[in-house]
Amino acid sequence: NAGVTQTPKFRILKIGQSMTLQCTQDMNHNYMYWYRQDPGMGLKLIYYSVGAGITDKGEVPNGYNVSRSTTEDFPLRLELAAPSQTSVYFCASSSIALGDGYTFGSGTRLTVV
Amino acid sequence: QKEVEQNSGPLSVPEGAIASLNCTYSDRGSQSFFWYRQYSGKSPELIMFIYSNGDKEDGRFTAQLNKASQYVSLLIRDSQPSDSATYLCAVKDNFNKFYFGSGTKLNVKP
Repeated sequence: NAGVTQTPKFRILKIGQSMTLQCTQDMNHNYMYWYRQDPGMGLKLIYYSVGAGITDKGEVPNGYNVSRSTTEDFPLRLELAAPSQTSVYFCASSSIALGDGYTFGSGTRLTVV
Repeated sequence: QKEVEQNSGPLSVPEGAIASLNCTYSDRGSQSFFWYRQYSGKSPELIMFIYSNGDKEDGRFTAQLNKASQYVSLLIRDSQPSDSATYLCAVKDNFNKFYFGSGTKLNVKP
């Protein structure tokens, strides 16, 4: 099983450009999440989804958009990239079980210059 | 805002010692609690979860939970240099969302 697959692993964007971070999971999890991790700041929730067609904002949604058309895919869209969006982005998925933690993707390191 | 607080460290312990990592959380309604290990440049990996008051042991790791004090800890016995990493405390709310602390960096000296 691949688990959670994120692409790309690295990307450099110029200010004002847009891009989509891809995330796919093969565990049939209903719950999917996007986090960003800044150095020494822990993980902050950007957006999450409880199932296909249902998404909601997390703690830091500004400058991002998501969609969830299938159970497997949860892409994150960055519009008009800004230097403040330089970060490492993690996609994760989980089931509803009490003891089920997140399965994380390998991350995307994004630099906006 | 649901807060999860950890001492950022670094926490330095000699090889073979017990490392003690602590975490406090603000939401009294939180149901389950997780510890993740994150090596530099890698994604977090789950090492322990706990949802009942008391201790839970798994190999060299022991998680401790005190809901009345809103306190979670992780003990690592017989610490090894390979345990050197950042340890993230995470709290799961009733909507299946996790809130993470900023992590404690652990250095195990050979």
